[in-house]
Order: sequence, then C-alpha cells, then structure tokens
Amino acid sequence: DAKTTQPNSMESNEEEPVHLPCNHSTISGTDYIHWYRQLPSQGPEYVIHGLTSNVNNRMASLAIAEDRKSSTLILHRATLRDAAVYYCILRPSNDMRFGAGTRLTVKP
Amino acid sequence: EPEVTQTPSHQVTQMGQEVILRCVPISNHLYFYWYRQILGQKVEFLVSFYNNEISEKSEIFDDQFSVERPDGSNFTLKIRSTKLEDSAMYFCASSQGDAGTGSYEQYFGPGTRLTVT
Repeated sequence: DAKTTQPNSMESNEEEPVHLPCNHSTISGTDYIHWYRQLPSQGPEYVIHGLTSNVNNRMASLAIAEDRKSSTLILHRATLRDAAVYYCILRPSNDMRFGAGTRLTVKP
Repeated sequence: EPEVTQTPSHQVTQMGQEVILRCVPISNHLYFYWYRQILGQKVEFLVSFYNNEISEKSEIFDDQFSVERPDGSNFTLKIRSTKLEDSAMYFCASSQGDAGTGSYEQYFGPGTRLTVT
C-alpha cells in the first residue's frame, strides 16, 4: 500500500511562495497524486491533482518529479487565508484515507 | 459556484438516540461519501455510495450506521443508537466520478458537529 510522507508543519511569510513537499516512493503507475487542504473549523477542500505532468489551477501548482516518487504543492503567493492543514493523498492506493498532513502557518 | 451543503450545523443528542445527518450534494454528481473527524484527529472515511448502493465502507461503518438517498437531492447518514464516541464532525462529499479511482476530485460540505451526551 503506497504511503505518503509529509512534514508535520511548515511556516511561511505572507505574500511569499510556499513549497509543500510530499514523498511517495512506493507510488504505482496508476496512482494519482491529490492535494486537499482543511482550513480551521472547515471541511476538506480540493486543491489540485495530477498523474505525471505538472498541473496548474487558480489555487496552486503541482510539480511532480520525473520518477513520480515525490511531488510539491506550490502556493505562489501565500495569504493568511492559506493557513491550513495540507494533505497529500495517492488514489487509488490510499483509498479514501487522509493522513496527518502538513500544518502550514502563514505569518503576516 | 455549486457547493455541498449539510444540515444541521450542530446536533446535540443523548446516548442511545437515533440521529439523521443530511447532505445535499452538488447536483450533477453521482458519487457520495461520508467522513468523520473526531476532534484533533484525522479525517476518517466512512462510506461511499453510488447508484443507490454502498460501493465501499470502512471498518468504522458498522450496523449502527446506514445511508440513504431518499430523493433526487438529499443524501443522509443515520446513526441508530448513538454512543459517546460518535461525537465528531461529520463531512459529506460528492464527486462526478468515482473518486476512489483517482481521476476525480471530491467536494466536501462544511460538516455537522455531532455531540453525544
């Protein structure tokens, strides 16, 4: 069962880029890499997902290593509203499981 | 922008009572899910539902739990006889396709806080 590893916490300054790493060295060829986040007292929120190529959307960018054993969620300009727990999940390998994620603190 | 809604936002009930938590998924979505999050802990998968049937469930989803899509818009989670340890946030989610395959994302509601006294 492929697992993901994320740092427990990270800090960023407001209006600076943030790079949130995720290691998934046992990823299988059919696993998609998903990122969700959970703001305080809210439900999880979809951020982005990808399979092999880098992906961009209005919220973030997802950079996937060539060997797919790691990925990085990039928030281009952190705001205070981006303070949340960020979850990196492989599907289908992680089924519907959320791990502990990375708690991002954004300092003004 | 379409969103998943849940009612009530907070439900207080006594141990042993039945509760029904309600969700309205995004209208063109076909797959529906319930998760729970005990205070300070991880988000845990309970059940997925498609085509009026449970497609997957976790070990948490025992005989005390049931789900139903009573009409074309609502999706409900019933707990038959609540226990103290059922106190948690319950999140409903929906997706256009099977999120378990990986190619679809899920959209979550704001949650219902269930307090069992």
